[in-house]
Amino acid sequence: DIVMTQSPDSLVVSLGERATINCKSSQSVLYFSNNKNYLAWYQQKPGHPPKLLIYWASTRESGVPDRFSGSGSGTDFTLTISSLQAEDVAVYYCQQYYITPLTFGGGTKVEIK
Amino acid sequence: QVQLVQSGAEVKKPGASVKISCKASGYIFTNYFIHWVRQTPGQGLEWMGVINPSDGSTTYVQKFKGRVTMTRDTSTSTVYMELSSLTSEDMAVYYCARDFSTIAADDPNRFDPWGQGALVSVSS
Repeated sequence: DIVMTQSPDSLVVSLGERATINCKSSQSVLYFSNNKNYLAWYQQKPGHPPKLLIYWASTRESGVPDRFSGSGSGTDFTLTISSLQAEDVAVYYCQQYYITPLTFGGGTKVEIK
Repeated sequence: QVQLVQSGAEVKKPGASVKISCKASGYIFTNYFIHWVRQTPGQGLEWMGVINPSDGSTTYVQKFKGRVTMTRDTSTSTVYMELSSLTSEDMAVYYCARDFSTIAADDPNRFDPWGQGALVSVSS
């Protein structure tokens, strides 16, 4: 199974500041035939199910604010919130869909300072 | 709009089974895979498997094989997940989630949208 490791476990950021979350996979999730990284990011607010934010490592889902961006390739990925807003308080998860079983990172909790 | 509505919370005794429903609306039911994901404090988010509502075919995670059964009823656009031989380690919120892409796109395994979740408690 591909193990997804996120860091940090939690993050406290001031409003308007940048938040950076890292995700590392135990093996590459880059499929060479199409040059796509099979990596998604989800946001989960308290009491709600996760919501898809980004797929193919850097493609924003429709309706997701452009302050959210994804980057990286192979085994190392980053989710960046460029200017943290109050409504961004949540737990963020990465997920690989390169191979089954599909696996998630342990989550990063983002809070406001 | 696309919506998945799950059945309510359950309390079960160890060794019992639980069956959770997930009713889909707002799209063509047979065009998208439905996945099941559970969330526990200890294990986080854990993918359990997937069902193709078109033909009922399933793929289960090895860990759950022999204990999990996913079925569908196309007449009501509902998917079911039954988990047997429950233990305290099965206490979790169970989510159904539609695949992001259609089955025809052959580009599966992202989850959007999700059901609201169903809490399963296991206690003697």
